[in-house]
This record gives sequence, C-alpha cells and structure tokens, in this order.
Amino acid sequence: DAGITQSPRYKITETGRQVTLMCHQTWSHSYMFWYRQDLGHGLRLIYYSAAADITDKGEVPDGYVVSRSKTENFPLTLESATRSQTSVYFCASSETTGGWEQYFGPGTRLTVT
Amino acid sequence: RKEVEQDPGPFNVPEGATVAFNCTYSNSASQSFFWYRQDCRKEPKLLMSVYSSGNEDGRFTAQLNRASQYISLLIRDSKLSDSATYLCVVPEGPSYNTDKLIFGTGTRLQVFP
Repeated sequence: DAGITQSPRYKITETGRQVTLMCHQTWSHSYMFWYRQDLGHGLRLIYYSAAADITDKGEVPDGYVVSRSKTENFPLTLESATRSQTSVYFCASSETTGGWEQYFGPGTRLTVT
Repeated sequence: RKEVEQDPGPFNVPEGATVAFNCTYSNSASQSFFWYRQDCRKEPKLLMSVYSSGNEDGRFTAQLNRASQYISLLIRDSKLSDSATYLCVVPEGPSYNTDKLIFGTGTRLQVFP
C-alpha cells in the first residue's frame, strides 16, 4: 500500500549502541521530517529535509544524524544512544512546503536501557 | 510565552455534549493553522485546517481570532469515537514560506457513555 512506513516499530537497545530508524514514503513528497514525542513536550522536530541531499536541523538535533540520498527514504541514526533518547519517533512527509499538511508514519517506540 | 499553548485537559464529557478547546500562539506571522487528532499510541492525523476566520466540517468547527492570537476547536454532539488528543498546530512563519510546523502538547478528550 502507498503511504509512509517506519521500521522497526519497536526497538530496545543499550546505551552507547548505534541504532538506525528507517522511514519510507511512496508519495514522492519533497519534504520529510523526524519528530520525537515525549510526555509534557509534545512533538519536537529533530531534523527535516526539503529534498534529496538537503537536510536541516530542527529543535533537538543533538545526538542524531540523518541522510537523504533518495527522495523516498529518510533514515535517522542515533550515533551513540542515551537513555534520554528513549521516546516515540515519528517520521512525516509533506507534499510542498513544511508549513502545510504533514502525513505521519505509525511511529517507532525506542527504549534505551 | 510558549509558541503554541494548549490546556492539557483531560476534558471528560458525556456523549452528546458540546466541548471546546482553545489554543494560543505567539507567532503573529502565521497565516494558516491546523488541528490534528492523535489516538492513543497512534500517529497524528490532520483533522481540520483554518485559513481565514474559521472552518466547519460536520460536527467540528474551528475558529481563528487573529487579534487575540488564539484558535478554538468546537465539537458538537460528542461521540465515544471522538476520544483522543487534539493537537493545535501552527506554522513557524507564513505557511507559503516556512519549512516547519510547531505542535502544541495537545488537549485530551475523553467522551463517556
């Protein structure tokens, strides 16, 4: 089915390990986003991308790395996971600018022990 | 002042009731606004967009007060299925010229029989 998918849906990892969260969309949307959602903070933007090979930092980028070699994929890597990165991670895409409707993936629940 | 501020609730209302949520925003340059709905442990989904003074879609009415910088969402004849968290969302700047959305922390609605 067309849409936006994330993998894995659940992940438990240990402090210090590298982990990559995958995001794939089939709409050919230009914009893609990574958010984290924590109690009391709502959705916070980690990184976003306006097109392939163009990425920019959001509100909380420290400890994360992104790449976008293809329009449809936008992986998020935690270089050395910390407990504070335990969260629910949502990927989203938008057809035009990021200021319009964004479509979200189902989320990845990440626990860092 | 927070960029987007919402009453977290919860709002507990009986079926059939009318309930309203308010949201205040700080960026006076924002020109379009959104309400997203998020079910428990699911991704956010667009509920309504507001581009001028207001918008109505069935039982849902969104209104915008630019002078006071607040947006409201009115739900009439509440259904059990309306139970969710409602996120107020504001573009960081003018929607045609911004890459980012700012999400409120959400207002939780619980409709009981």
